[in-house]
Amino acid sequence: AQSVTQLGSHVSVSEGALVLLRCNYSSSVPPYLFWYVQYPNQGLQLLLKYTSAATLVKGINGFEAEFKKSETSFHLTKPSAHMSDAAEYFCAVIESGGGADGLTFGKGTHLIIQP
Amino acid sequence: GAGVSQSPSNKVTEKGKDVELRCDPISGHTALYWYRQSLGQGLEFLIYFQGNSAPDKSGLPSDRFSAERTGGSVSTLTIQRTQQEDSAVYLCASSQDKNYGYTFGSGTRLTVV
Repeated sequence: AQSVTQLGSHVSVSEGALVLLRCNYSSSVPPYLFWYVQYPNQGLQLLLKYTSAATLVKGINGFEAEFKKSETSFHLTKPSAHMSDAAEYFCAVIESGGGADGLTFGKGTHLIIQP
Repeated sequence: GAGVSQSPSNKVTEKGKDVELRCDPISGHTALYWYRQSLGQGLEFLIYFQGNSAPDKSGLPSDRFSAERTGGSVSTLTIQRTQQEDSAVYLCASSQDKNYGYTFGSGTRLTVV
């Protein structure tokens, strides 16, 4: 079974400050991990993904995430927040290999950017 | 098409009525997923289609929910005898392979009054 925990339903940072959104997962087999962003009244857009290649993954809009197996974490970071980063962010996991399980999502973190 | 298309974008229905939600996946994507997004509940997996295999229906919340995928392409999610708790955004996603991630549509916002 797989699960995702996102710490903090809301995170508020000042424009220009570091963004850190936390994600921890559990999976019985090596996972594939994803971060998605959702802007108001829109679908989910893939930010970045980890699929067992490099553990530090760079995505769109200056975001990156690091897979740490020992900590079962896949935290999302951005060095300098921009007002346009305000959105809902979802971490998701799927077990690698076969099987019909879909992506399992965390409950999401609402990122607020203070001017 | 270039992306995953869902219709309608908004649907208001009366309690007890049946509704059909449509999803057009990206051409060539063999996998198709339905998720439900409720306020404060995150994203809930509903059903998964992979090629011609039998769908994984393990996420459907009740027997009022059903889905089909015709010709390995378009999918329809049907909710019979809708209830107020069915109000949510229903998202469809398609994938070529789980390695590549999933492309989501903009969703159908269902409101049951």
